[in-house]
Amino acid sequence: SSELTQDPAVSVALGQTVRITCQGDSLRSYYASWYQQKPGQAPVLVIYGKNNRPSGIPDRFSGSSSGNTASLTITGAQAEDEADYYCNSRDSSGNRGVFGGGTKLTVL
Amino acid sequence: QVQLQESGPGLVKPSQTLSLTCTVSGGSISSGSYYWSWIRQPAGKGLEWIGRIYTSGSTNYNPSLKSRVTISVDTSKNQFSLKLSSVTAADTAVYYCARGWQQLAHDAFDIWGQGTMVTVSS
Repeated sequence: SSELTQDPAVSVALGQTVRITCQGDSLRSYYASWYQQKPGQAPVLVIYGKNNRPSGIPDRFSGSSSGNTASLTITGAQAEDEADYYCNSRDSSGNRGVFGGGTKLTVL
Repeated sequence: QVQLQESGPGLVKPSQTLSLTCTVSGGSISSGSYYWSWIRQPAGKGLEWIGRIYTSGSTNYNPSLKSRVTISVDTSKNQFSLKLSSVTAADTAVYYCARGWQQLAHDAFDIWGQGTMVTVSS
């Protein structure tokens, strides 16, 4: 079982805002990073740290954290945002990594 | 820019050892404050962190796999490798190598290989 918990599936209407969450005790001490994965492709980093986007990631993607929950928000979701999203952080030991179970985002 | 490429057998027999190599191109595996990781994904399932190695040779492994996993680095070849022993069908997955970096309170994998499918079957 994962130390980071995500909702299995979330949907959003085209152009609306959606938040994808990740819960875990280690998130009280460490930030999450977020990855977008489309079918047949390797994951792509979209958010890291407090709220940082790698070059090339649209600014509609943002991150936040409160208590034991990290969130990825997509403001004005586009059809191309339909994908699986994974959070990643350290485990309770702080010495190893762990992924959330992933959230399948459907854009309606 | 830095690119990663996994290589190794696509089919491994049960009880044998899975061996994969990740070749780093476009930059030195020793430069910068990075670590090098293996991550896997069974078909239709989520990502699983396997372990990582720093160029110092220091390693960390997933506790659920620790007894079977070895990650090593060869800086002269700009490669790092994964060995997973005593494999079963449950080890069938796409295996990714990735470059990671960390600061005080966060980690991130900024570069990933394309992934290689490994099937465990007789």
